[in-house]
Amino acid sequence: AQSVTQLDSQVPVFEEAPVELRCNYSSSVSVYLFWYVQYPNQGLQLLLKYLSGSTLVESINGFEAEFNKSQTSFHLRKPSVHISDTAEYFCAVMTFSGNTPLVFGKGTRLSVIA
Amino acid sequence: NAGVTQTPKFRVLKTGQSMTLLCAQDMNHEYMYWYRQDPGMGLRLIHYSVGEGTTAKGEVPDGYNVSRLKKQNFLLGLESAAPSQTSVYFCASSSGTGNTEAFFGQGTRLTVV
Repeated sequence: AQSVTQLDSQVPVFEEAPVELRCNYSSSVSVYLFWYVQYPNQGLQLLLKYLSGSTLVESINGFEAEFNKSQTSFHLRKPSVHISDTAEYFCAVMTFSGNTPLVFGKGTRLSVIA
Repeated sequence: NAGVTQTPKFRVLKTGQSMTLLCAQDMNHEYMYWYRQDPGMGLRLIHYSVGEGTTAKGEVPDGYNVSRLKKQNFLLGLESAAPSQTSVYFCASSSGTGNTEAFFGQGTRLTVV
């Protein structure tokens, strides 16, 4: 079975500073990788995903994540954060076959400080 | 475009009471999921379904039952609510192939007193 570990439960960062949210996964088979974001009192929404091809994927609001197969990691980065990025971020994994459920990490709460 | 709709949004139950949470999706998705979200625990999978008429247990299935009689609906039942089931419940759906995203409802905040 696959699993996801998010190494930081909370990450405080000053506005306009860079941030990295770490995610490691474990799986005996090939997987797809996702980052979801949850703003306060809302459901989850997809931020970005890695399916195949280029190991660097980007979102429309400046986040990027890099798939590293040798380190089984999918860390999320942004070079300059805004107050509006304050949210909880979840890393998730699903196997290629798709017949196993989407598995989430415990989440990282990003707090951007003015 | 409604997406995934959860009913109700809030509920308070007394210990021992029963209730059903309804999830409806209008995207013709094969897969549907029920998760619970608790502080510091992330999202934990309760039950899921890979198609109409099928269900499977997730990580934390005890105390819950589910049914998927229609493709667009996935019901989560609590037969005898306990305070440990106080949580925020999220329903999600996806097309079933691994390379597509899951769409989430807005959540149901359940308090068991």
